[in-house]
Amino acid sequence: SAVISQKPSRDICQRGTSLTIQCQVDSQVTMMFWYRQQPGQSLTLIATANQGSEATYESGFVIDKFPISRPNLTFSTLTVSNMSPEDSSIYLCSVLWQGRSGGGEAFFGQGTRLTVV
Amino acid sequence: AQSVSQHNHHVILSEAASLELGCNYSYGGTVNLFWYVQYPGQHLQLLLKYFSGDPLVKGIKGFEAEFIKSKFSFNLRKPSVQWSDTAEYFCAVNANTGGFKTIFGAGTRLFVKA
Repeated sequence: SAVISQKPSRDICQRGTSLTIQCQVDSQVTMMFWYRQQPGQSLTLIATANQGSEATYESGFVIDKFPISRPNLTFSTLTVSNMSPEDSSIYLCSVLWQGRSGGGEAFFGQGTRLTVV
Repeated sequence: AQSVSQHNHHVILSEAASLELGCNYSYGGTVNLFWYVQYPGQHLQLLLKYFSGDPLVKGIKGFEAEFIKSKFSFNLRKPSVQWSDTAEYFCAVNANTGGFKTIFGAGTRLFVKA
């Protein structure tokens, strides 16, 4: 399994500013993902961030708004740019851990609770 | 594209009642299936998972789920719920050929009356 640390755990930000969220993993992993969980809702995948390639964004999410870095196999950042109150959510980092059976299980960080005022 | 449907958005049960939460997915390939639970104010926690083998999977806290490939279903069950099972439950799926992106259902909010 993998242990994931996210920083900050929470923040309150002014609209129009940007926040960078860091995700540190205790093992080397190829596949990393960023999710958003808006209040009272399910998890929505923002992008896949595999080391050595550009992040791949899901429909409705763009690089200008959510730039992602993946400099090595244990670290990634997600920036929420030019924030508005609609960006208030929990942002979660996730890594895929593949077991011997070949299946892949997602492990999640504790999340970053962002409030934009 | 992969998608996951959870049939019940809100469920209210009395303690000791049996629980079954429906989950269907749309993906034709080999899938990995999961149920997660999120207790009020807490983080996501894995209840159980299915990769291959016995389609009846047992998880933590007395939960189990059955994978029925022909129905593209992975329903969650518990024979007797407790007040402490009050939480939100998410069904999720990923697939080898889908880049292992884990896609979540909308969630089912369970409230158990004491």
